[in-house]
Amino acid sequence: AQSVTQPDIHITVSEGASLELRCNYSYGATPYLFWYVQSPGQGLQLLLKYFSGDTLVQGIKGFEAEFKRSQSSFNLRKPSVHWSDAAEYFCAVVFREYNAGNMLTFGGGTRLMVKP
Amino acid sequence: DSGVTQTPKHLITATGQRVTLRCSPRSGDLSVYWYQQSLDQGLQFLIQYYNGEERAKGNILERFSAQQFPDLHSELNLSSLELGDSALYFCASSVDLYNEQFFGPGTRLTVL
Repeated sequence: AQSVTQPDIHITVSEGASLELRCNYSYGATPYLFWYVQSPGQGLQLLLKYFSGDTLVQGIKGFEAEFKRSQSSFNLRKPSVHWSDAAEYFCAVVFREYNAGNMLTFGGGTRLMVKP
Repeated sequence: DSGVTQTPKHLITATGQRVTLRCSPRSGDLSVYWYQQSLDQGLQFLIQYYNGEERAKGNILERFSAQQFPDLHSELNLSSLELGDSALYFCASSVDLYNEQFFGPGTRLTVL
């Protein structure tokens, strides 16, 4: 069955340090891939997306993600974290082949805390 | 601001009651999606409409129903509410069936 896994429930980094949030999926083909961020009490904001083409994608707020087909992964990175990046991050996938629409399947989320 | 609006922001009601959540998609978007976010289930897809027609259904209970109107706004109806229905309900919209979804701020439902 198709699934999305975010192995890290919580991550704490110091301000200015680099960040990598992991996302793995289980699927026989290449899905559409997304990262969303949710600040406390807020909705979900789209950070970046991958449909096809260049496997390194740039997003908003200085984030980037790399699609690695061989590892079924789509990890989110940021070279230098700011205190305002503290939030919950969700990886989301559209499994195209079994999808009459394009509904998102979400990972469990990773809560990022930033130390001053 | 994503351009997707949801009302009300908060809703407190009692078990057995019925509520209606409303969503207005971004201007020009034809597809509307409903998701439920709860502590035990995480973010789960409920249902999708495209240009007024139901397109896909997820783990939506029979007590829940939705529709999309000719002006493309959508409503999610939740009936015979149970304590376990307490959650954050998100609406999202996309321009078509192939592009990214933009989320509204959500409606927090509390069932007492």
